[in-house]
Amino acid sequence: EIVLTQSPATLSVSPGERATLSCRASQSVSTSLAWYQQKPGQAPRLLIYDASNRATDTPARFSGSGSGTDFTLTISSLEPEDFAVYYCHQRNNWPLTFGGGTKVEIK
Amino acid sequence: EVQLLESGGGLAQPGGSLRLSCAASGFTFSHFAMYWVRQAPGKGLEWVSTMSGSGGSTYYADSVKGRFTISRDNSKNTLYLQMNSLRAEDTAVYYCAKDQPTPPHFLDYWGQGTLVTVSS
Repeated sequence: EIVLTQSPATLSVSPGERATLSCRASQSVSTSLAWYQQKPGQAPRLLIYDASNRATDTPARFSGSGSGTDFTLTISSLEPEDFAVYYCHQRNNWPLTFGGGTKVEIK
Repeated sequence: EVQLLESGGGLAQPGGSLRLSCAASGFTFSHFAMYWVRQAPGKGLEWVSTMSGSGGSTYYADSVKGRFTISRDNSKNTLYLQMNSLRAEDTAVYYCAKDQPTPPHFLDYWGQGTLVTVSS
């Protein structure tokens, strides 16, 4: 099973600042990695797929990068609606796995 | 507009059973693999099961293999999850989700979830 480790667990950021989230895989997943955003009481929403492609309706301030085992989600300038939990997810191998999440909170 | 609506959650006793349903609309259901993903209270996401569009292929997490069965009725645009031998650790919100139309096939739409509580 591929283990995805996200860091940090919690990120305190002020609105307008840049946020950088990390996801590390226990073995290579090529670029078969996605990022999801989840707000309290809501379902996850696909933000980034294939490591760097923005999903439909994902704002341009969100960008993804990486390949192999190290991946990054960057939010260039945090808006109030971006405070949420972010999960990475791999589908390069079965079983499909998710990272433990990074909570982006208001500083 | 893609819509996924889960139902069937509720309270079950340890060792009991529940069947979840996910009614889909807004896309050609039979063309897409479908997923169940769960989230225990205050925890992260855990993939549970996947079924191909035709229903010919199924995949399960080890934690539910032999206890849960995924199925679909393409004539009714509905996905199911039969959950037997329920355990306390199965307590979670269960989401259904659909495949992207093109590779690498991540989960692009999710329902709002249905809560399953396993307790005596």
